[in-house]
Amino acid sequence: EDKVVQSPLSLVVHEGDTVTLNCSYEVTNFRSLLWYKQEKKAPTFLFMLTSSGIEKKSGRLSSILDKKELFSILNITATQTGDSAVYLCAVRVPGAGGTSYGKLTFGQGTILTVHP
Amino acid sequence: EPEVTQTPSHQVTQMGQEVILRCVPISNHLYFYWYRQILGQKVEFLVSFYNNEISEKSEIFDDQFSVERPDGSNFTLKIRSTKLEDSAMYFCASRNRLASTDTQYFGPGTRLTVL
Repeated sequence: EDKVVQSPLSLVVHEGDTVTLNCSYEVTNFRSLLWYKQEKKAPTFLFMLTSSGIEKKSGRLSSILDKKELFSILNITATQTGDSAVYLCAVRVPGAGGTSYGKLTFGQGTILTVHP
Repeated sequence: EPEVTQTPSHQVTQMGQEVILRCVPISNHLYFYWYRQILGQKVEFLVSFYNNEISEKSEIFDDQFSVERPDGSNFTLKIRSTKLEDSAMYFCASRNRLASTDTQYFGPGTRLTVL
């Protein structure tokens, strides 16, 4: 069974701190790994990673994938209260029969709380 | 920026009643999905839909569930006879057809409460 595990489950920091969120996976046929930010409602897309060792960056957020060790990290530097959210990691596997429709298998999320 | 929309935002129903959750995917997307998230648990895949038919479904998606794309814009999830354990947040997602753009974009969700 495909599995995605995130750690830590929750994290409390102060504004200005740097945080690292972890995601490890065991899937039968990896296609890509995605990070989402979930505030009150919809998961909002952050990054999609398909290749090892290539950092994706967007402002204070960055992420990298290690396909050999089967994990990814999401870094947030100089955290702000607006970064408080649940961060979800998901792995895309092919659809049934190897089709391209695909589906996402999610981790349980990391709850990040940033205090002023 | 185009986005996935869902209605209603919150639906309360009695056990055994039928509910229809509605989604309008992003207009040039061709792959559609439903996921659910029971309170405090992981987001779980329910079903994928392409070219007017189900391409894959999970074991959660039993005979009580069905999906439909009744026109060019809406994508619906119907639960025929709701159970207490169907209470969850239901998310619709869509993706375009380019293999290089794997990203599924999620709607804001419908919170379903079954009493």
